[in-house]
Amino acid sequence: ELKVEQNPLFLSMQEGKNYTIYCNYSTTSDRLYWYRQDPGKSLESLFVLLSNGAVKQEGRLMASLDTKARLSTLHITAAVHDLSATYFCAVLGGGSQGNLIFGKGTKLSVKP
Amino acid sequence: ETGVTQTPRHLVMGMTNKKSLKCEQHLGHNAMYWYKQSAKKPLELMFVYNFKEQTENNSVPSRFSPECPNSSHLFLHLHTLQPEDSALYLCASSRTGTGTSSTDTQYFGPGTRLTVL
Repeated sequence: ELKVEQNPLFLSMQEGKNYTIYCNYSTTSDRLYWYRQDPGKSLESLFVLLSNGAVKQEGRLMASLDTKARLSTLHITAAVHDLSATYFCAVLGGGSQGNLIFGKGTKLSVKP
Repeated sequence: ETGVTQTPRHLVMGMTNKKSLKCEQHLGHNAMYWYKQSAKKPLELMFVYNFKEQTENNSVPSRFSPECPNSSHLFLHLHTLQPEDSALYLCASSRTGTGTSSTDTQYFGPGTRLTVL
């Protein structure tokens, strides 16, 4: 059974600091997704990572994938308050189509 | 706005009621999904429809009954629910089912916050 673990689950950081969220998964998968969810709102797609060594960047967020280690990271550079949200990673599971397995999410709070 | 709409946004129902959740996508996608998001639990996939055909039923109790009349609309019919079914129910769509070789991302609706009394 594919399991996805994120850590930390809660992260409080100051503006201007850097930090990394980690996403480990238990079995081989073809692709990995990162999503953002603001309170009371829907999930917004951030990145899709398809291959070993893939790196994608958007603004202050950078995601990478190491399929051999079954690890993805979401790095936050010089955090700002607007980045406060819950971040989820999801891995494509085996079997039927659309079977995304999500981590529990990392709730990020960026304080002035 | 994501192009995926859900109604109602909030629903309170008793255990003997019957209600339905509606999802509509305006993105021209062919695959639609129902997810359950509970406090302290990961997001759980419930059902997948690809080209109107159900391709996944993740061991969901029969008190949840999905319906997909066309590629743009998805319903979740609810009856005799339990208090533990209270959660945020999210609908999503993608161009095709993401189990294919495509890179399709799932786009989520805003969710229906369901409370079962």
